[in-house]
Parts: sequence; C-alpha cells; structure tokens
Amino acid sequence: GAVVSQHPSRVICKSGTSVKIECRSLDFQATTMFWYRQFPKQSLMLMATSNEGSKATYEQGVEKDKFLINHASLTLSTLTVTSAHPEDSSFYICSARLPTGLAGGPGPDTQYFGPGTRLTVL
Amino acid sequence: SQQGEEDPQALSIQEGENATMNCSYKTSINNLQWYRQNSGRGLVHLILIRSNEREKHSGRLRVTLDTSKKSSSLLITASRAADTASYFCATEKFTGNQFYFGTGTSLTVIP
Repeated sequence: GAVVSQHPSRVICKSGTSVKIECRSLDFQATTMFWYRQFPKQSLMLMATSNEGSKATYEQGVEKDKFLINHASLTLSTLTVTSAHPEDSSFYICSARLPTGLAGGPGPDTQYFGPGTRLTVL
Repeated sequence: SQQGEEDPQALSIQEGENATMNCSYKTSINNLQWYRQNSGRGLVHLILIRSNEREKHSGRLRVTLDTSKKSSSLLITASRAADTASYFCATEKFTGNQFYFGTGTSLTVIP
C-alpha cells in the first residue's frame, strides 16, 4: 500500500523561529499533496494544495507568506511555518494522492495520510 | 465554510454494541470517505462511497449515502474496545479535488 511519512514527528521551538516539516511519499509518486492542521479535539482543516512544480493553492484565510509550501519533487513537499508563534502550535498532517490507483488499492480518489507533526511553539 | 458536520460529537457504548455516526455536508460531491484517527496519530482510510452508490460494506463497517439529504452514516457493528478512536467523514467535490473533513465523532467503546 501507499505510505506517506512526515518528519519530524514532534518539534518544539521558540517564538519567532521558522520550522520546516517534510512530507514524503515513500513508494509512489505524488503529483498532488495536501497540508492540514488540526487543533486539539477538532477536525482537520485543509490549509493548502501542493502541486509538484507549481505554486501551492491556499485555502481562504491561510497566509501564504506565513506557511510556505514547496513541492520540489514528486515525492517531497515541505511546509515551513515562518516566524512561528504560540498560536501556530498545532498538529500538522500531510496527505498525498495517487495519480492512478495502486493495484488492489482503494483508487485515485483516496488520499494517503502521513502520521502528523506535533508543533509546539513556546 | 466547506466543512461538514458530524453527530454525535461524542459517543460512548459498551463492547458488542453497534455504533452509528452521521455526517452531513453542504455541496454536491463526487465521493465521501470515512477515516479513523487514534489520539494524536495520523488518519486511516476506512471506506469510500461514490455519489452514485447508496450503501457499502467492509467487514464490520456499513456506510450509507443519501445525496438528496446530503448525508452519510457509518455503522460499526459488534464494536470492540480497539474501535475507540475519532471518526471523520471527508467529502470530495470532484475527483482529484480537495477533501473537506467533517467535525468528527469521538467514539469510546467500553470493555
């Protein structure tokens, strides 16, 4: 099956620093990746859609200069939280979509999710 | 907001009982999917139902979809303590498009 990894799994940083989170598709090429954030006991909120080789598409209300997304290759997308503040503390999850379904898999409609990154800004 | 809503927000049942969660959404969709999330972990895909389908089964899971009411339900039969998790529905408007998640249902199965 399709596997998506994220690194780091946890990060604690001081206010004002920038943090980079990586999302990798390990056994398939993902032309499209998505970034979500999730506050405690809440649902996932889509932040942006990351397309390989082009600019990310941000959801309304998400600051693109604050959350920099780079999808430089078919297996890697990065999210950089710039000048992080305590209110940016959250669980960040990425997902990747298969361009075509894997044999035996649920199909190209399905997104495969990474395990998430817990960001704590002090 | 594109986010769907789920009810109940929280559900607590005894092991062996059935658990039913409902999801309502706002726009027309291509498909709806259910995911499970254990506390502080990533999401696990459970089942996908397309807009032209009304019901789907997978093991102890049964999903229904009513596009006229813009709603879906997830039934877990013969629940187990290991089913304790949060369950989210996610809708996709077009194939290849973004997912929008429901508010989630926190299920606790008491042994």
